Amino acid sequence: KAGVTQTPRYLIKTRGQQVTLSCSPISGHRSVSWYQQTPGQGLQFLFEYFSETQRNKGNFPGRFSGRQFSNSRSEMNVSTLELGDSALYLCASGSTGYYREKLFFGSGTQLSVL
Amino acid sequence: AQKITQTQPGMFVQEKEAVTLDCTYDTSDQSYGLFWYKQPSSGEMIFLIYQGSYDEQNATEGRYSLNFQKARKSANLVISASQLGDSAMYFCAMRDNTGNQFYFGTGTSLTVIP
Repeated sequence: KAGVTQTPRYLIKTRGQQVTLSCSPISGHRSVSWYQQTPGQGLQFLFEYFSETQRNKGNFPGRFSGRQFSNSRSEMNVSTLELGDSALYLCASGSTGYYREKLFFGSGTQLSVL
Repeated sequence: AQKITQTQPGMFVQEKEAVTLDCTYDTSDQSYGLFWYKQPSSGEMIFLIYQGSYDEQNATEGRYSLNFQKARKSANLVISASQLGDSAMYFCAMRDNTGNQFYFGTGTSLTVIP
């Protein structure tokens, strides 16, 4: 069974640009969540989608948005990039979103904003 | 608000020895899940072990065990017979009854010395 796939693995952008990251969850999983990881702030929750509906959103500005498609694949978009958006973005998938359920993470997309 | 505290930024352990990584949490919920993940330098978060708030017995998964003390709100990870491949960042995380996001600690960097 294939794991969580995130593309691209690395991205280099300049300030003011926008970027789209992609995440394909494990087959059959309907929950996809996104996390930002930085050395200063650690791992922070961005948002979670379940069956194409956003169920929860973290404390990030509106420049961060996401969506989920009918095949459960998810995309995250960051507009008007800032230097502070440089981070490892991790996607995680689950089947139910129930609190007892572990999440499966991808290898992440390393975004560098110059 | 939920909070996870890991007070050990870095730990060293001799190969084949056991090591305990500390984790305390704060929540007012009665139903929650506690997780430990390992993050090697490749970036992917690897699930290690899970403990539910209503589980009376401490969880074990191979060389990993979780020392769960509910009254003290602690969920320490014990790694027995450390191996060189155990060198990585270790994150404690909690999911509450809403289930939609993980709250992560700041992590502990474990180095196994030959």
